[in-house]
Amino acid sequence: QQQVKQSPQSLIVQKGGISIINCAYENTAFDYFPWYQQFPGKGPALLIAIRPDVSEKKEGRFTISFNKSAKQFSLHIMDSQPGDSATYFCAPGMDSNYQLIWGAGTKLIIKP
Amino acid sequence: DAGVTQSPTHLIKTRGQHVTLRCSPISGHKSVSWYQQVLGQGPQFIFQYYEKEERGRGNFPDRFSARQFPNYSSELNVNALLLGDSALYLCASSRISSGNTIYFGEGSWLTVV
Repeated sequence: QQQVKQSPQSLIVQKGGISIINCAYENTAFDYFPWYQQFPGKGPALLIAIRPDVSEKKEGRFTISFNKSAKQFSLHIMDSQPGDSATYFCAPGMDSNYQLIWGAGTKLIIKP
Repeated sequence: DAGVTQSPTHLIKTRGQHVTLRCSPISGHKSVSWYQQVLGQGPQFIFQYYEKEERGRGNFPDRFSARQFPNYSSELNVNALLLGDSALYLCASSRISSGNTIYFGEGSWLTVV
């Protein structure tokens, strides 16, 4: 049972470009939509998150867009920098076993 | 405020040995979860503890066990280590057990030889 679909699996963007990663979910009971950023060998870090009462949230170069009717949310990285090269995970909820429900991850590479 | 702290950061063990990994949650957080992350894959859920009780368990063998102490810190124990246990072990904390606002530590790298 795949509750979360994250795309693309990998993404290469030129420096200064816009990176867009998408996450589609099934459970309408989810009420908090975070993105995690993970660098190789490090733990995932909470990057930005949104509640369903707003459609967009911006923090610096990072923006979350949320579409409740489509059950999708996306991460936009503006003016992408080589330091943004990492793996990004969406994690929109927990299951009944208190397990975080993750997307499969997107490996982002920003070319200088 | 200090984040989630884990120790040790790196360790090497021999097959068949036992390992204990430790985690201190963010102050005020009562829930601790453990995840295993093999290189190139997403984190796999091992356990969640809340108020010193196990709330959730992932699909891991009984060689894996954990506990949470009165100060909410936690230990993950793995017995009879196998080569396949080599991974990054992540601890995460949250205020409550059911929220998905969780914060991860930097992890403990375990290599089994």
